[in-house]
Amino acid sequence: DQQVKQNSPSLSVQEGRISILNCDYTNSMFDYFLWYKKYPAEGPTFLISISSIKDKNEDGRFTVFLNKSAKHLSLHIVPSQPGDSAVYFCAAESNFGNEKLTFGTGTRLTIIP
Amino acid sequence: DGGITQSPKYLFRKEGQNVTLSCEQNLNHDAMYWYRQDPGQGLRLIYYSQIVNDFQKGDIAEGYSVSREKKESFPLTVTSAQKNPTAFYLCASSIGVTNEKLFFGSGTQLSVL
Repeated sequence: DQQVKQNSPSLSVQEGRISILNCDYTNSMFDYFLWYKKYPAEGPTFLISISSIKDKNEDGRFTVFLNKSAKHLSLHIVPSQPGDSAVYFCAAESNFGNEKLTFGTGTRLTIIP
Repeated sequence: DGGITQSPKYLFRKEGQNVTLSCEQNLNHDAMYWYRQDPGQGLRLIYYSQIVNDFQKGDIAEGYSVSREKKESFPLTVTSAQKNPTAFYLCASSIGVTNEKLFFGSGTQLSVL
């Protein structure tokens, strides 16, 4: 049972526009969420995180929004740049329930010059 | 230059053979992890270790074994009992195990001959 879902396997966005990547989760015990970025044949790199006590966290061009009632989070990238083309994974964990980090299936983002 | 080193980059396994994937970190992190990535799927946790000489099974531990004799090293053995070993294997580490971002190695692609 996939507890963290990224329903869009791929997304194409024009350079300079906003990229919005979505992630849904089913486990209400999850209280910490992270986004990772992965280039082909490389390991993922940490991008941004958010705790369940917040609904927004911003770091430069990257903003993560958390809607706990909908069990939904999104990553906004603005403006999108060609170097943002990669696979993005969302991940979630629960400290209370001792759930280890669970990853979604990833969304491949392609930025069109 | 601190980081996580995985070797080899590519590995081939024959039927009935055990193979060992190396993972070394010089970040002085306590926790280390092994994940497996299959095409179109998220990262799935195989084993993790929070401290030297201790490790726990993840979601898909069957057919794998690990050891943690040194803080810096967390090798993964893919045994002949793992019937579908072809995948991209990622090693990661973190300072602790609670709300800690993971640092990943560059991965090992294992294929069956």
